[in-house]
Amino acid sequence: AQKVTQAQTEISVVEKEDVTLDCVYETRDTTYYLFWYKQPPSGELVFLIRRNSFDEQNEISGRYSWNFQKSTSSFNFTITASQVVDSAVYFCALGNGGSNYKLTFGKGTLLTVNP
Amino acid sequence: NAGVTQTPKFRVLKTGQSMTLLCAQDMNHEYMYWYRQDPGMGLRLIHYSVGEGTTAKGEVPDGYNVSRLKKQNFLLGLESAAPSQTSVYFCASSYSNFAWTQYFGPGTRLLVL
Repeated sequence: AQKVTQAQTEISVVEKEDVTLDCVYETRDTTYYLFWYKQPPSGELVFLIRRNSFDEQNEISGRYSWNFQKSTSSFNFTITASQVVDSAVYFCALGNGGSNYKLTFGKGTLLTVNP
Repeated sequence: NAGVTQTPKFRVLKTGQSMTLLCAQDMNHEYMYWYRQDPGMGLRLIHYSVGEGTTAKGEVPDGYNVSRLKKQNFLLGLESAAPSQTSVYFCASSYSNFAWTQYFGPGTRLLVL
């Protein structure tokens, strides 16, 4: 069975601080995909990044960066110099490479960035 | 492109009433999904479809039915609504090959009294 754990339920930081959101996953598949989605207060789900199990390169996109480590089954998300607009619930999700393409979501981390 | 759209955005039902939620996508995606989001539970898969005319059960299918008569549409039905079905419902779609990131609609907030 697949499982995604986001141990941090809520995080509160002051603007310009760096913050890391943790994601630990469990799967028996050798081919799988990891995702991060952002859910701002308006409610929609916004896709941020997709990473497959064969690509352990870290990725940076502006103030966002992702650290994928298969050895620890983790896919952590760091926001550098956080801004108030980063306030949202962030979901980590795991998909397998089989035929059903279903996503298993973590329970989310609520990030509040205070001015 | 509108992406994934959902109708309605908000609905209030009385226990026992029925309703249908409509999801439409204009990205020619093969796969479509219905999730529900409850506080502290993340998103849970209700039903999904891997192509026109197909449906399959997800994690929490009880009390819901779905239909995929057209490739671009995926309907979620509640035959007899219960207060436990009060939730926010999200539809998503994806391709069926390597580029299968799921793209989500804006959500439907349902309140069952």
